[in-house]
Amino acid sequence: KNQVEQSPQSLIILEGKNCTLQCNYTVSPFSNLRWYKQDTGRGPVSLTIMTFSENTKSNGRYTATLDADTKQSSLHITASQLSDSASYICVVSPGDKLIFGTGTRLQVFP
Amino acid sequence: EAQVTQNPRYLITVTGKKLTVTCSQNMNHEYMSWYRQDPGLGLRQIYYSMNVEATDKGDVPEGYKVSRKEKRNFPLILESPSPNQTSLYFCASSFIHSTGFYEQYFGPGTRLTVT
Repeated sequence: KNQVEQSPQSLIILEGKNCTLQCNYTVSPFSNLRWYKQDTGRGPVSLTIMTFSENTKSNGRYTATLDADTKQSSLHITASQLSDSASYICVVSPGDKLIFGTGTRLQVFP
Repeated sequence: EAQVTQNPRYLITVTGKKLTVTCSQNMNHEYMSWYRQDPGLGLRQIYYSMNVEATDKGDVPEGYKVSRKEKRNFPLILESPSPNQTSLYFCASSFIHSTGFYEQYFGPGTRLTVT
């Protein structure tokens, strides 16, 4: 069964600190993996998209990594800001559809 | 400004009363879809449309209808809403990126409560 699991479910960090969110998937075949940021009350917004051949991609302070062999991805946030408080959703595509994880709820406190 | 709009943003209704949630995009995208988001579950696709007059079921289509008479609009119709359709609904429109991926843009969401 195609599944995407994320950990932790929620995370609280202090402003300025770094954090890493995890994503494990059992989707097959694999086409691409995405990370979305979803602010409260808003729709998800794409942060990164990676294919099988890419093992890292950055978007500002966000860096996503992909290990297609172990079927794991991580999203690293550097020097967190209050505006990083949101849910981060890992999405894996076998090509014809998107399979969403349940997200990690991140709260950044001053 | 390129965007996906949904209306209404919030709706409280009663069981059995037909309702429509509108979705409109101004990016000339061919692909549009509807999702619902429930606590503890990832976004689940309800219906999608590859182009005008071309719609197909997603993962959870029961109890929903859609239509795509124009490229920019993709309304979601609940003919007889039930409490288990209480959820947060997102419309999305997509285009095929030069890399071959569908790049999705989500609307702001519609929070529906059925009592």
